[in-house]
Amino acid sequence: DAGVIQSPRHEVTEMGQEVTLRCKPISGHDYLFWYRQTMMRGLELLIYFNNNVPIDDSGMPEDRFSAKMPNASFSTLKIQPSEPRDSAVYFCASSGSRGGNQPQHFGDGTRLSIL
Amino acid sequence: AQTVTQSQPEMSVQEAETVTLSCTYDTSESDYYLFWYKQPPSRQMILVIRQEAYKQQNATENRFSVNFQKAAKSFSLKISDSQLGDAAMYFCAYKTSYDKVIFGPGTSLSVIP
Repeated sequence: DAGVIQSPRHEVTEMGQEVTLRCKPISGHDYLFWYRQTMMRGLELLIYFNNNVPIDDSGMPEDRFSAKMPNASFSTLKIQPSEPRDSAVYFCASSGSRGGNQPQHFGDGTRLSIL
Repeated sequence: AQTVTQSQPEMSVQEAETVTLSCTYDTSESDYYLFWYKQPPSRQMILVIRQEAYKQQNATENRFSVNFQKAAKSFSLKISDSQLGDAAMYFCAYKTSYDKVIFGPGTSLSVIP
C-alpha cells in the first residue's frame, strides 16, 4: 500500500516567494494533519481536516499560511509571502477513524529553506 | 488541556543493553490512546508501539515494550537488546478518540557500539 505522499521533498526559495507544499493521504483515511518541525519548537500541529473540512486551524502561525483540501486525496499548504523563519520540515499525516487507536501515518516531509 | 512531557532530552545506551525512555501526560479523560514514534536521521516518523488506556496489559512489539501506569499518567518505553539502528529521536504521543494527537518534545537516543 502506498503511504502518505508529500512533494516536494526539498524546497529552497527566496524570501517573499509563494511556497506550495502538497500531500496525498492514504486512500480511505478521513483525517489529514499538517505539522511543522523545528529544533526550537519541536513538532507543531498547524491544521487538521476531517472529511476534507478544516476542523482546527489554531496552530496556523499567521495569515501568510493557508491550507486547503479540495478532495479526499489531495491537500496543499501554502505560504505567501514566505519568510526565513518559515524554514522547517513540514509533515503531512493521515489517519482513519475506525477506532480511536488508529495511529497517524506520516509522509517523508518537505524540508523548506527560505533564503 | 492535554500535555505530554518527556523529561529526558537525550539518552544513551550501550549496544545490546536495555534503555527506558520516560513519558508523562496530563489529561482529565478516561478513554484515550498512547503511542511511541521513532524518527531516525532520515526524518521519517515511524510508529513503534501503541497502547489503549482501557487495556491493563502492557503492549509489546518484539524488543519494544511499554510500562503503562494509568493512575500515574506514565507511559515509558523500554528497548531491549539495543541495536545501532535504534538511534533516533523518540516521541511520545497522546490521542483521545478521533481527535488530534499531541506529541511530546522528544528524546534523542544514542546507541554506543
